[in-house]
Amino acid sequence: QKEVEQDPGPLSVPEGAIVSLNCTYSNSAFQYFMWYRQYSRKGPELLMYTYSSGNKEDGRFTAQVDKSSKYISLFIRDSQPSDSATYLCVSLVSGGTSYGKLTFGQGTILTVHP
Amino acid sequence: GAVVSQHPSRVICKSGTSVKIECRSLDFQATTMFWYRQFPKQSLMLMATSNEGSKATYEQGVEKDKFLINHASLTLSTLTVTSAHPEDSSFYICSARRAGGSYEQYFGPGTRLTVT
Repeated sequence: QKEVEQDPGPLSVPEGAIVSLNCTYSNSAFQYFMWYRQYSRKGPELLMYTYSSGNKEDGRFTAQVDKSSKYISLFIRDSQPSDSATYLCVSLVSGGTSYGKLTFGQGTILTVHP
Repeated sequence: GAVVSQHPSRVICKSGTSVKIECRSLDFQATTMFWYRQFPKQSLMLMATSNEGSKATYEQGVEKDKFLINHASLTLSTLTVTSAHPEDSSFYICSARRAGGSYEQYFGPGTRLTVT
């Protein structure tokens, strides 16, 4: 079992839709959670970073973390064609031998069509 | 802020030659930089972690003599692929973590290496 699980999709939505991307993790030691967006043949771009349960909002993006159920979500409001990319759910532990290393989900491929 | 650059963006080399890839943090100091490799339609695979002024820590299965990493300053890390072979062809991405900052990593745009 992978430590971070994501549905790889692909997910296709019309422009303007609300997108929900979901992720689960199994390692209780994970303390920090991030969402990255990666366009084809580019490096990942950090979208959201959080370390507590609850919601964090930034523009059209909302990250939601539920540590009790080990569930992470990213919501994208008013989705645009430019949001078409692969979204990476990422977790990390802050101590121990895995200090600072990112653990990636498989990524979800999103296409927003006009 | 938090911009990371990589050079070159694309390189083609002949089998047996060495290739150096540079990773720079442009607007912040990075005590720790990471090197990843990514195959098509797969997620990133961590190769090594480098801390400024010390030897890199390589992940299991990564040949340290083949992938030489140098982190000589707080803004520059280099990856040298020595005696390259066609199986080394891949997308190499670096990331950097701010000095004294939190844990998020900022990624470079990647380098596409093709070994012929």
